[in-house]
Amino acid sequence: IAGITQAPTSQILAAGRRMTLRCTQDMRHNAMYWYRQDLGLGLRLIHYSNTAGTTGKGEVPDGYSVSRANTDDFPLTLASAVPSQTSVYFCASRDTDRGNSPLHFGNGTRLTVT
Amino acid sequence: EDKVVQSPLSLVVHEGDTVTLNCSYEVTNFRSLLWYKQEKKAPTFLFMLTSSGIEKKSGRLSSILDKKELFSILNITATQTGDSAIYLCAVEAGANSKLTFGKGITLSVRP
Repeated sequence: IAGITQAPTSQILAAGRRMTLRCTQDMRHNAMYWYRQDLGLGLRLIHYSNTAGTTGKGEVPDGYSVSRANTDDFPLTLASAVPSQTSVYFCASRDTDRGNSPLHFGNGTRLTVT
Repeated sequence: EDKVVQSPLSLVVHEGDTVTLNCSYEVTNFRSLLWYKQEKKAPTFLFMLTSSGIEKKSGRLSSILDKKELFSILNITATQTGDSAIYLCAVEAGANSKLTFGKGITLSVRP
């Protein structure tokens, strides 16, 4: 079934540890995004990639890094996790080459930093 | 800075009621407005609106955009408990098609 796969589904992580959240899509979408969702704050963009080989900073990029080595994969890395990074993380993609197109979301990763 | 404001932030209704969810925006170079429904996991796409005054409809849900007054509404008629969810509004704007989300509206439908 076509879509976006995120892993892990959930994770408890000690502060200071490094963690990579994985995201893979099989829809050949050119653009990919990482959002975090927090109660009362909605969805906030962390990083994005308009096409393989390029990335950009979103609204809340500090403490996170991304890479886009190919079209399908867009991992998000927390170099040294802090409790304020406790959140639900959503990966999303869309085909911006086709004009207006909706975002498709993965099922999210629930991350708790202790 | 692009801004998207949804109201109310939360709403409790009874089955059978009709609800109207609001989304207003201030963006530069508007391209489209999107509505999503989020239950337990991923937001799922409902509607994309690009033109004023043209209603999009899917079953009991409908939505319309007013580009002059810079808002959209999402209507749900004859609500059911399965409509309980967070409803997200997002606006696409600018040359790089940046998407800005509102904080979402939490709808609870009581039996």
